[in-house]
Amino acid sequence: ETGVTQTPRHLVMGMTNKKSLKCEQHLGHNAMYWYKQSAKKPLELMFVYNFKEQTENNSVPSRFSPECPNSSHLFLHLHTLQPEDSALYLCASSPPSRRGLYEQYFGPGTRLTVT
Amino acid sequence: AQTVTQSQPEMSVQEAETVTLSCTYDTSESDYYLFWYKQPPSRQMILVIRQEAYKQQNATENRFSVNFQKAAKSFSLKISDSQLGDAAMYFCAYQGGSEKLVFGKGTKLTVNP
Repeated sequence: ETGVTQTPRHLVMGMTNKKSLKCEQHLGHNAMYWYKQSAKKPLELMFVYNFKEQTENNSVPSRFSPECPNSSHLFLHLHTLQPEDSALYLCASSPPSRRGLYEQYFGPGTRLTVT
Repeated sequence: AQTVTQSQPEMSVQEAETVTLSCTYDTSESDYYLFWYKQPPSRQMILVIRQEAYKQQNATENRFSVNFQKAAKSFSLKISDSQLGDAAMYFCAYQGGSEKLVFGKGTKLTVNP
């Protein structure tokens, strides 16, 4: 296990529910990421935060709302999701850039099922 | 936009043998990084090996090595002396001038005893 934790590990929610995914990193990194991993598709970058500021929003629907209160914590708030949003949601973090390198460390993921 | 292609959805290898996983990418940038990540079943994605594009020497990490061909935009992973614990999804990834990682679709590696 790396120093990136995610909770919950599994989540089943209805389309009208509101839930949140949590990510915490214990590595002293300053950048954090949300990815979506669906079957037979490449990992899709959703959001990037660098020093708590959002630097990337990869055209993600507004039913996904990220929050980064500090460099160690990252949340993904979910509401009125669709069944096609069912996927593995991965969090990652990276240390300050060294010669343009952002080496990312991943959490175990949250397996989300929308019913 | 950069793209990463892994043309082998699945590969298999006998234990103790050598296997090579293919990856090609498309970019107009000259300075970038390439990675191979391993994702075992129901376990975390971990970094296997990294290559800096400005380095001509191929990266190696124990039994893992890469064949980096910059002109051909090719970045293959060779696993020597394959072990049962090497069974996993392997993802090739590209990072250019930002924090963004662009991933391929992955190759599922099976190791047969």
